[in-house]
Amino acid sequence: EDQVTQSPEALRLQEGESSSLNCSYTVSGLRGLFWYRQDPGKGPEFLFTLYSAGEEKEKERLKATLTKKESFLHITAPKPEDSATYLCAVQGRSDGQNFVFGPGTRLSVLP
Amino acid sequence: DAGVTQSPTHLIKTRGQQVTLRCSPKSGHDTVSWYQQALGQGPQFIFQYYEEEERQRGNFPDRFSGHQFPNYSSELNVNALLLGDSALYLCASSLAWQGLDEQFFGPGTRLTVL
Repeated sequence: EDQVTQSPEALRLQEGESSSLNCSYTVSGLRGLFWYRQDPGKGPEFLFTLYSAGEEKEKERLKATLTKKESFLHITAPKPEDSATYLCAVQGRSDGQNFVFGPGTRLSVLP
Repeated sequence: DAGVTQSPTHLIKTRGQQVTLRCSPKSGHDTVSWYQQALGQGPQFIFQYYEEEERQRGNFPDRFSGHQFPNYSSELNVNALLLGDSALYLCASSLAWQGLDEQFFGPGTRLTVL
């Protein structure tokens, strides 16, 4: 069964203090790993898709990387507006079109 | 270009009642997926509709059913509501040929069961 865990559960950073969020996954044949951002009371907003180990993608202050067992979301010099819950999801070949989400990391960036 | 829309925004029901949630996909999208997100947890896949048929289903009981209309909009029905059905219900749309690489989520419907 495909599984996704995320750590830490919650993270508080000072503005400008860089850090990384972890997503560990178990999947029988990875089709894709996805990162989403979710603000309170809203639907997830797509950030990145990663397909193979070694792949990296960047968007503004965010960079996502992928290994065979985990993915990292690096946040460089975060701002208060980066505060949100960051969700990781995997799509395994054996599950067809299903997504399996992790529980998320709640990020708070203090001014 | 309208994104994914869902209605209603909030809903309060009592145990044993039935509820219908609605979703209109992003313009041009033909596939709709439904997710349940309990407070503090990640979304859980309920099912996916394409060409008016249920194509994939997650680990949810038969009390959860759905429908897709010719215009690609979709409904989620939940019968015999339980307290544990209280959650944010998310609809996501995509293009079948792209898989779920470009999946866009709606704002969700917050269901409270008393």
